[in-house]
Amino acid sequence: EADIYQTPRYLVIGTGKKITLECSQTMGHDKMYWYQQDPGMELHLIHYSYGVNSTEKGDLSSESTVSRIRTEHFPLTLESARPSHTSQYLCASSETGGTEAFFGQGTRLTVV
Amino acid sequence: GESVGLHLPTLSVQEGDNSIINCAYSNSASDYFIWYKQESGKGPQFIIDIRSNMDKRQGQRVTVLLNKTVKHLSLQIAATQPGDSAVYFCAVRTGANNLFFGTGTRLTVIP
Repeated sequence: EADIYQTPRYLVIGTGKKITLECSQTMGHDKMYWYQQDPGMELHLIHYSYGVNSTEKGDLSSESTVSRIRTEHFPLTLESARPSHTSQYLCASSETGGTEAFFGQGTRLTVV
Repeated sequence: GESVGLHLPTLSVQEGDNSIINCAYSNSASDYFIWYKQESGKGPQFIIDIRSNMDKRQGQRVTVLLNKTVKHLSLQIAATQPGDSAVYFCAVRTGANNLFFGTGTRLTVIP
């Protein structure tokens, strides 16, 4: 069982609200990722981090931001949520140089 | 950017038969190719990987084949069981050690 946790599991919020999706891992992994998963199932990399104080944008443009102040914590923030942000968000971590990424259960976000 | 795609979005197989899920990729510089399984309501879970200098790797009931000439990857599941029903993703690892996933294939096992 992977030691990576995401909260909340489900979230329904109104347009314009600021939200933060939490992700924590207890494996001491330096590498962390955020993916957005659309209804067609494809996973798109939106942010990643090599370690503390490192954040990079991924392949898919996103209006979200991330921070990495502690190794174990990689929160994702939307300053002003819109219906187009409705999606499943998956956080993952891996050892640097590893091929196995451990995923959280995801946060299903609905913006109304 | 990376392009990783599976050939079929859905696949149905009879319990006990073998399953083959195929994937195509675009980046010749990818150094690892990985298969993940995602069950309903869960995040993807690592199944098996193969390094770019190999063409075959076997695990428990699974075999991954890599054909670099045509940039093709496949996952074979032997004696498919109901618990194998899930969405399967192939992923590639690039030089920056990022994982890029393709669209998934939903495998349904018919009892």
